[in-house]
Amino acid sequence: RKEVEQDPGPFNVPEGATVAFNCTYSNSASQSFFWYRQDCRKEPKLLMSVYSSGNEDGRFTAQLNRASQYISLLIRDSKLSDSATYLCVVLSNTGGFKTIFGAGTRLFVKA
Amino acid sequence: DTGVSQDPRHKITKRGQNVTFRCDPISEHNRLYWYRQTLGQGPEFLTYFQNEAQLEKSRLLSDRFSAERPKGSFSTLEIQRTEQGDSAMYLCASSPTTNSGANVLTFGAGSRLTVL
Repeated sequence: RKEVEQDPGPFNVPEGATVAFNCTYSNSASQSFFWYRQDCRKEPKLLMSVYSSGNEDGRFTAQLNRASQYISLLIRDSKLSDSATYLCVVLSNTGGFKTIFGAGTRLFVKA
Repeated sequence: DTGVSQDPRHKITKRGQNVTFRCDPISEHNRLYWYRQTLGQGPEFLTYFQNEAQLEKSRLLSDRFSAERPKGSFSTLEIQRTEQGDSAMYLCASSPTTNSGANVLTFGAGSRLTVL
């Protein structure tokens, strides 16, 4: 079983739609959680950190369920520029800090 | 400081040759990570350093791979006796360990390796 699992998609949505991505992680000792965005042939960049209480940044909302070891990302009012791969990221400190990436979920937003 | 720098950006080599990649992290970041990414996959963890100490190394990393960070600043990743399966993007990232940016990785643009 992979340490971080995501639905690879692709998700094809029209502009203005709301789309949600899910992610599960296997290490219950994981400490920190993030969503990164990766554009085609570019490096990953931080989209947002994920906090236990849930957090929002504009059109983006991230939530964490530690009991179920589940992370989600909600994008409201999708824009063409949101088209990218969204990577779920988990940091575990089990003797060393190890930041593990999921395989990513591909999003295409169409006009 | 302009971010994380990686060199070379592209490397084409023949099977069996050795290659070395260099990463210059953001100067105040004391953690440095190496990842490998292939098409359609997320970055795969290879190893990480805190200052000059290599603290974690993936079990997936064969003995042909070695990484160093001798003075706690730049790092090198060497692949010996390259194989076609080594073809990938090699990404370097750095992070601070304190304040609000702790554990947030900043990536370089990557070094793309093609093994013929």
